[in-house]
Amino acid sequence: DIVMTQSPDSLAVSLGERATINCKSSQSVLDSSSNKNFLAWYRQKPGQPPKLLIYWASTREYGVPDRFSGSGSGTYFTLTISSLQAEDVAVYYCHQYYSTPHTFGQGTKVEI
Amino acid sequence: EVQLLESGGGLVQPGGSRRLSCAASGFAFNTYAMGWGRQAPGKGLEWISDISDSGDTTYYADSVKGRFTISRDNSKNTLYLQMNSLRDEDTALYFCAKKGCSRTRCYTNCWGQGTLVTVSS
Repeated sequence: DIVMTQSPDSLAVSLGERATINCKSSQSVLDSSSNKNFLAWYRQKPGQPPKLLIYWASTREYGVPDRFSGSGSGTYFTLTISSLQAEDVAVYYCHQYYSTPHTFGQGTKVEI
Repeated sequence: EVQLLESGGGLVQPGGSRRLSCAASGFAFNTYAMGWGRQAPGKGLEWISDISDSGDTTYYADSVKGRFTISRDNSKNTLYLQMNSLRDEDTALYFCAKKGCSRTRCYTNCWGQGTLVTVSS
């Protein structure tokens, strides 16, 4: 199984400041034939289901604000929120869909 | 607008069975892979199972393999999860998930609100 490890477990960021969340996979999730990283990022607010932010490691989902960006390849990935807004208080998860079981990171709690 | 409405959750005794349903609308159901995930109270997300658009390919997490069965009825736009031999550790909020592609090796781009399954005597 591919183990996804996020860091930090939690972080506090001031409104308008940058938040950076890291995700490391125990094996590469880069598919050499398609040159795509099978890595997604989700945001989950309290009492709500997860919401897709980023897929293929760096493609922003339709309607997601451009303050969210994803980067990285292979085994190391980053989600950046360029200017934190109050509505971004949530838990963020990375998720690999390269191989089954499709595993999630443990989550990073972002607070103001 | 994509809508996924789960039902079938509730209280079940250890060793019992439960069938979850997910009514899908707002998209061409028969052209997308689907899946189920779950979240135990206060815990993180766990992937459970996926099924291809046609239903001919399925995958399961080891934690549920042999006990849970995913299926779909494309004529009814409905996804199912048959859960047998339920254990205390299966207590969780179960989410229906729509994939962004026809195949299962794809990201999930929409989650339902979830249905709570509590396994307890």
